[in-house]
Amino acid sequence: GENVEQHPSTLSVQEGDSAVIKCTYSDSASNYFPWYKQELGKRPQLIIDIRSNVGEKKDQRIAVTLNKTAKHFSLHITETQPEDSAVYFCAAKGYSTLTFGKGTMLLVSP
Amino acid sequence: DTEVTQTPKHLVMGMTNKKSLKCEQHMGHRAMYWYKQKAKKPPELMFVYSYEKLSINESVPSRFSPECPNSSLLNLHLHALQPEDSALYLCASSQVGTIGSEPQHFGDGTRLSIL
Repeated sequence: GENVEQHPSTLSVQEGDSAVIKCTYSDSASNYFPWYKQELGKRPQLIIDIRSNVGEKKDQRIAVTLNKTAKHFSLHITETQPEDSAVYFCAAKGYSTLTFGKGTMLLVSP
Repeated sequence: DTEVTQTPKHLVMGMTNKKSLKCEQHMGHRAMYWYKQKAKKPPELMFVYSYEKLSINESVPSRFSPECPNSSLLNLHLHALQPEDSALYLCASSQVGTIGSEPQHFGDGTRLSIL
């Protein structure tokens, strides 16, 4: 089955800095890669996703890049704000189900 | 606003009790999911329903019994749970994808505590 590795497990940045979270996947058949943000005590919320026929996607301060050859994808957050503090999960999906990475706790200090 | 509604938000039950978790969506999604999430861990898939039929059971113990009465509702019946079953139980829904997938939208979850 699919295996998704996510790094780093914790990321601390100053407000205004950029943050990058990286994930690798094992199944070359995977073709859909969502990113979820989960604040403490709340539901995972889809923030951006990318399909395998696209290399990059941007939505305001958030961008995702995908390298199918290397089987890795990354989340980029620019101009971080304290409200970006949360746990971020990457995931990969092929023909079957979503496989999640273990999560990255992002801490943005004012 | 959450488009997937779960009830109750919190549930405390003894190991001999029987209870049910409920999930409802009105987005016209025909795939619905149950996940279990322990603290500081990713969601862990339990069951998938596609067009109201159980399509995936990730080797979940029989003390968890899912039910999909119609395209908008998903239940999870609980019986004789163990303390290690204490967790956040998340429901999600999506369109039924073919190759390439549709986003899954999560509910707020039910926080379950087993005494």
